[in-house]
Amino acid sequence: QIQLVQSGPELKKPGESVKISCKASGYTFTDYAMHWVKQAPGKGLKWMGWINTYTGKPTYADDFKGRFVFSLEASASTANLQISNLKNEDTATYFCARYGYYSAHWYFDFWGPGTMVTVSS
Amino acid sequence: DIQLTQSPSSMSASLGDRVSLTCQSSQGIGNYLSWYQHKPGKPPKPMIYYATNLADGVPSRFSGSRSGSDYSLTISSLESEDTAIYYCLQYDEYPYTFGAGTKLELK
Repeated sequence: QIQLVQSGPELKKPGESVKISCKASGYTFTDYAMHWVKQAPGKGLKWMGWINTYTGKPTYADDFKGRFVFSLEASASTANLQISNLKNEDTATYFCARYGYYSAHWYFDFWGPGTMVTVSS
Repeated sequence: DIQLTQSPSSMSASLGDRVSLTCQSSQGIGNYLSWYQHKPGKPPKPMIYYATNLADGVPSRFSGSRSGSDYSLTISSLESEDTAIYYCLQYDEYPYTFGAGTKLELK
């Protein structure tokens, strides 16, 4: 069955970097794009962008340009999110979500469980 | 950016009630709107895609509709497991945007 498994929680200091992984199984990884969504504590969902798992080309929402990098380890069916120069406001749960195709339409059909990143000095 | 305004921000209803949640788009997005149910400690669960299509495994008491730029998620008969925050998402153009969510509780 289709699964997205994310790496475990992270506790980091301001200025450090973190890399979150999202390992896919149960389908052909390169057939479906992977999106990333942020949820800060007590806040709603925010779309960060996506990566084309076939070409590796990332697309970022404006608020996530610069310190955020989407990457792939396609041979391992894994998408990664790296955040550099961490700030307190990066404290959040980060979800990966597959962009699936049903009945001629696309939507986020499978989600990872989320990775909690805490930034604190 | 396209703004999605969800209403109400929170509501409470009784078991068996018919409940409708609304999401209004600031500009045309066609039917490129989906709904997600989010419970604490869990990932969002897809409920409706392309405005009116039921996602796989979602009970038939859920439905989606559209009237112009207003989109609705309706639960025909509320069950206890339906308590959650519901988010709409537009995926017509970048950046994709979520509504602020509607918190649905039991009365």
